[in-house]
Amino acid sequence: GENVEQHPSTLSVQEGDSAVIKCTYSDSASNYFPWYKQELGKRPQLIIDIRSNVGEKKDQRIAVTLNKTAKHFSLHITETQPEDSAVYFCAAYQAGNTPLVFGKGTRLSVIA
Amino acid sequence: DGGITQSPKYLFRKEGQNVTLSCEQNLNHDAMYWYRQDPGQGLRLIYYSQIVNDFQKGDIAEGYSVSREKKESFPLTVTSAQKNPTAFYLCASSLVTGGSGYTFGSGTRLTVV
Repeated sequence: GENVEQHPSTLSVQEGDSAVIKCTYSDSASNYFPWYKQELGKRPQLIIDIRSNVGEKKDQRIAVTLNKTAKHFSLHITETQPEDSAVYFCAAYQAGNTPLVFGKGTRLSVIA
Repeated sequence: DGGITQSPKYLFRKEGQNVTLSCEQNLNHDAMYWYRQDPGQGLRLIYYSQIVNDFQKGDIAEGYSVSREKKESFPLTVTSAQKNPTAFYLCASSLVTGGSGYTFGSGTRLTVV
């Protein structure tokens, strides 16, 4: 089955700097890759997703890139703000009506 | 909670008791899921259901049971066989299994006392 590795597990950046979180997946048939943000004590919320027919997608300060050959995808946050502090989860969908497989999460701290 | 409601928010269980966590959605989603979240462990899948009256085990199903009698509801029972049930439990739903974004509930924090 699919396996998703996420790095780093913790990340601290200065306010205004960029943050990058990377995930690798094992199944080349996977075709959908969402990212979730979970603030302390709250539910995860979908912030951006990408499908395998697209190499990059942007939404304001957030972007996701996908490299199908290398089987990895990354979340990029520019001009970080304190409210970006949260745990971020990547996930991959392995075709065949199976659930998303999640990475173990990255705790991002933005230092003012 | 964005169309998916979990209750209660906090739950305390005595040793040897079964407890049931509620999950209801009004999004007309076919698929529903239960995840357990422990510090540093990410989201671990307990059970999922793609259609009414059908469900499958996830990675950590031992000590848990579910039912899916209605499309809107997917309750999770934590049985006395679950030896370490203290955790944060999240319910989610999606239009189709896996290939679309999930909507999560606000979670239930279960503590054994």
